[in-house]
Amino acid sequence: ETGVTQTPRHLVMGMTNKKSLKCEQHLGHNAMYWYKQSAKKPLELMFVYSLEERVENNSVPSRFSPECPNSSHLFLHLHTLQPEDSALYLCASSQGGPAGATDTQYFGPGTRLTVL
Amino acid sequence: GQNIDQPTEMTATEGAIVQINCTYQTSGFNGLFWYQQHAGEAPTFLSYNVLDGLEEKGRFSSFLSRSKGYSYLLLKELQMKDSASYLCAAMDSNYQLIWGAGTKLIIKP
Repeated sequence: ETGVTQTPRHLVMGMTNKKSLKCEQHLGHNAMYWYKQSAKKPLELMFVYSLEERVENNSVPSRFSPECPNSSHLFLHLHTLQPEDSALYLCASSQGGPAGATDTQYFGPGTRLTVL
Repeated sequence: GQNIDQPTEMTATEGAIVQINCTYQTSGFNGLFWYQQHAGEAPTFLSYNVLDGLEEKGRFSSFLSRSKGYSYLLLKELQMKDSASYLCAAMDSNYQLIWGAGTKLIIKP
């Protein structure tokens, strides 16, 4: 397995369900990201982890809860979502390191989430 | 505020050349990225510019003018597989990427 992988690729859930998205990177990177991509809108950065510590949380509702158990894995736990949360959720990783690095981000294929 | 502008959609003919423009306004600047995203797939890195000028990489070239807050992606000898969305992203002074909404490029035979 190479690059950045995400599971599941597609997820349909009701508003009362609890589910988790998983991301795994095989690039030896130290930083990982969650983005939300809605149709015809810019990518929205949700969370950033660097060396397993959360360094960015862009005013994301608490119904989204990230977890980074190690530098290779990132989860996004979902509960009591709203229909407007339906979107493509992308995970990315980058080399990371000291602040100020203009690292290229490498993306996974995303999870297409539909909230009914 | 911070902002990226790029056209929503462009159409071009197979074998031709197309230029996708991007203008940006950011708090500080640490470079400009272009990504390609096919429908249902991951965005993939195409180019990074931080100095003024043209960077050529095969059929794709990327240009940056820092003084004008402007970049373009130039695609030559267009192929059907180049049909995709092209995302422009500028890195601000906090090394955060500010993304455009993407340009959907349609290639016609």
